[in-house]
Amino acid sequence: RKEVEQDPGPFNVPEGATVAFNCTYSNSASQSFFWYRQDCRKEPKLLMSVYSSGNEDGRFTAQLNRASQYISLLIRDSKLSDSATYLCVVNLDSSYKLIFGSGTRLLVRP
Amino acid sequence: DAGVTQSPTHLIKTRGQQVTLRCSPKSGHDTVSWYQQALGQGPQFIFQYYEEEERQRGNFPDRFSGHQFPNYSSELNVNALLLGDSALYLCASSFDRASGYTFGSGTRLTVV
Repeated sequence: RKEVEQDPGPFNVPEGATVAFNCTYSNSASQSFFWYRQDCRKEPKLLMSVYSSGNEDGRFTAQLNRASQYISLLIRDSKLSDSATYLCVVNLDSSYKLIFGSGTRLLVRP
Repeated sequence: DAGVTQSPTHLIKTRGQQVTLRCSPKSGHDTVSWYQQALGQGPQFIFQYYEEEERQRGNFPDRFSGHQFPNYSSELNVNALLLGDSALYLCASSFDRASGYTFGSGTRLTVV
């Protein structure tokens, strides 16, 4: 079983739509959680950290469910510029490495 | 303020050869991590360097080695290249885990 699992997509949505991505992780010792965004042939960039109480950054909302070992990302009012691959990332408290999922691809169409 | 810089941006090598990739961390960062990203996959952790020592290593063979210099820059060396080593190699720097990691734009290695 992969340490971090994501639906690869692609999710193909119209501009203005709301879209949600889910991610599950296998190690209950995971302590830090992130969503990164990666554009085609570019480096990953931190989109937002995910906190236990849930957090919001503009059109983006992240949620964490430790009991179910589940992380989500909600994007409201999708823009064409949101088209990218979204990577779910976890970090164990005892480790320095980031554990990446394979990513979920989002395509926002006009 | 320069971010993380990597060189070269692209590289083509022949199977069996050796390659060295370079990374300069973001100003103020003292820790460098290296990741391998195969097509369609998420980045996989190779190792992390701190205070010129390898602090943690992922599940990569000994063909992958590295070094960190006193100015915090780092090199990744891969010996006896295999076709399967073809990937995007990413360098990430940080000051501490809580502050997050900044990635460079990567070196795209093709082994033929």
